[in-house]
Amino acid sequence: GAVVSQHPSRVICKSGTSVKIECRSLDFQATTMFWYRQFPKQSLMLMATSNEGSKATYEQGVEKDKFLINHASLTLSTLTVTSAHPEDSSFYICSASMGRDGYTFGSGTRLTVV
Amino acid sequence: EDQVTQSPEALRLQEGESSSLNCSYTVSGLRGLFWYRQDPGKGPEFLFTLYSAGEEKEKERLKATLTKKESFLHITAPKPEDSATYLCAVRRGSQGNLIFGKGTKLSVKP
Repeated sequence: GAVVSQHPSRVICKSGTSVKIECRSLDFQATTMFWYRQFPKQSLMLMATSNEGSKATYEQGVEKDKFLINHASLTLSTLTVTSAHPEDSSFYICSASMGRDGYTFGSGTRLTVV
Repeated sequence: EDQVTQSPEALRLQEGESSSLNCSYTVSGLRGLFWYRQDPGKGPEFLFTLYSAGEEKEKERLKATLTKKESFLHITAPKPEDSATYLCAVRRGSQGNLIFGKGTKLSVKP
């Protein structure tokens, strides 16, 4: 089946630094990828939708300058958290559309900002 | 406003004790209702997609059903390995992204 590989699975960074999270579609081409954020005991909240070769579409309230999304190829999308602060600590998950068959998700990245 | 509500928030069952999880939704232009399983620290794992009222799908001990306002995930004779958080999501008609409920955390004790 379709697999999305997400790295790293865990990252700890110092406040003020930037962190990049990668999502790769291993056996299919992902025209559209979605980035979610999940807080403990909360649902997945959509942050942005990225389409290959074009600018990402951000949800209301998500700072596009803080959460930089790049979808430069049909197999790779990246999320960069710039100038991270403790409140950015969360679980970040990417997802690729499979058309009518639904969506496949990455394994998630636990970001801790200290 | 598009919304997905799951109940109960948490459910504890004994091994073999069957039960159901509920997902009620309001969405304009439903293009599919999805069930996922999520283990701690992992991404969601796809279970089912339902598209129209009356549709049912089964996989091992799980059966998902759909009406015009809600979906049920029935678990028959659960085992401890079924312990996880079960997420329900709907796809918006115009945008294609998913709207998730908060999930039901299922614990099955041996």
